[in-house]
Amino acid sequence: IQLTQSPSSLSASVGDRVTITCRASQGISSYLAWYQQKPGKAPKLLIYAASTLQSGVPSRFSGSGSGTDFTLTISSLQPEDFATYYCQQLNSYPFALTFGGGTKVEIK
Amino acid sequence: EVQLVESGGGLVQPGGSLRLSCAASGFTFSSYAMHWVRQAPGKGLEYVSAISSNGGSTYYANSVKGRFTISRDNSKNTLYLQMGSLRAEDMAVYYCARFIAVAGIFDYWGQGTLVTVSS
Repeated sequence: IQLTQSPSSLSASVGDRVTITCRASQGISSYLAWYQQKPGKAPKLLIYAASTLQSGVPSRFSGSGSGTDFTLTISSLQPEDFATYYCQQLNSYPFALTFGGGTKVEIK
Repeated sequence: EVQLVESGGGLVQPGGSLRLSCAASGFTFSSYAMHWVRQAPGKGLEYVSAISSNGGSTYYANSVKGRFTISRDNSKNTLYLQMGSLRAEDMAVYYCARFIAVAGIFDYWGQGTLVTVSS
């Protein structure tokens, strides 16, 4: 299963609403997660099961979707949100999984 | 506090070998499947290998199958990745990550260790 993220990069301003999409090449139910990665740092889990916010993640982050089409939304972009975002799915139990190509969110 | 600390990265010649380690603390290591994920310079995340909680099952990406071996020592709370026949395309930061099987996600990651393959 392939995951295609769009856009691959975007420029936005603080306060903007940002939406990133992740499309799977075939249905994956709701086994879709989103990670944030800042330069030189490990990825950080934001959302799992397509729409469940990981503990400690600000509520401005939200996820939605099922089947093949998923979105990550940042309701009001903050300075600390400028980073690269990856979607990830579990292909087949127990271990096979794939990542999307990433979306870099830059300051406009 | 959950901590994952990788070590063992460095410079290695093409065709060479290297063993990475990931020391875990702050949780019951033997209860979790563990994975290695890598990231080439300026590139995205690539799944490398996984091992079940008891070490009885392993999985490898096609790109490393037959060259890499994942293992774990639950008595030492340590995950390993033995890498052989290294190629230029294996150059990356290697992360270990704790896997939550019921959700299919990685909830904790190490800081990563850089493997450089160059002559």
